[in-house]
Amino acid sequence: DSGVTQTPKHLITATGQRVTLRCSPRSGDLSVYWYQQSLDQGLQFLIQYYNGEERAKGNILERFSAQQFPDLHSELNLSSLELGDSALYFCASSTGTSETAEQYFGPGTRLTVT
Amino acid sequence: GQSLEQPSEVTAVEGAIVQINCTYQTSGFYGLSWYQQHDGGAPTFLSYNALDGLEETGRFSSFLSRSDSYGYLLLQELQMKDSASYFCAVVSSYKLIFGSGTRLLVRP
Repeated sequence: DSGVTQTPKHLITATGQRVTLRCSPRSGDLSVYWYQQSLDQGLQFLIQYYNGEERAKGNILERFSAQQFPDLHSELNLSSLELGDSALYFCASSTGTSETAEQYFGPGTRLTVT
Repeated sequence: GQSLEQPSEVTAVEGAIVQINCTYQTSGFYGLSWYQQHDGGAPTFLSYNALDGLEETGRFSSFLSRSDSYGYLLLQELQMKDSASYFCAVVSSYKLIFGSGTRLLVRP
């Protein structure tokens, strides 16, 4: 158990809908990262927050947005969902040092868009 | 841009040694991390190399050569539970850029 929690574990929704994925980092970790992993694919970095502020952005679609709240939990919002958005979404946290080499991953949210 | 290359699959026998290579092209390079992911599970951190050379952690070792933009993960005394996907990841400013992963199958 990494100490990172994600809800929900599974999510099934229809195209065009909007969903929110939630992540709580390990106690004391200030950085939260979001990743997308499609079937048999590697992990694609989406976005990083540090202590409430956006710090780095990857190939995140404009339909996707995220935020980190004062209690450090984070939410990833996915809107106008398409079939291709079906994937495993991971949240990770770290101590927030500049190198971010060692991240602790949550169990993931499996999103299925039908 | 940034790219990482690693073999897609490797098969080895229980008790053997296996090496998983990773080459990368990137800017803003701080170091190379390795992660393990079992089917249906979350990635877990294995090792990190910021400097050239070998880092050893139990049965696992990781190597980095910055001049060659190359690293590898060495797994010794393979066990069945080591069957998993292994990802190298470049540590860039505030983010990890992952390779596509190497699926390791350990046979009895």
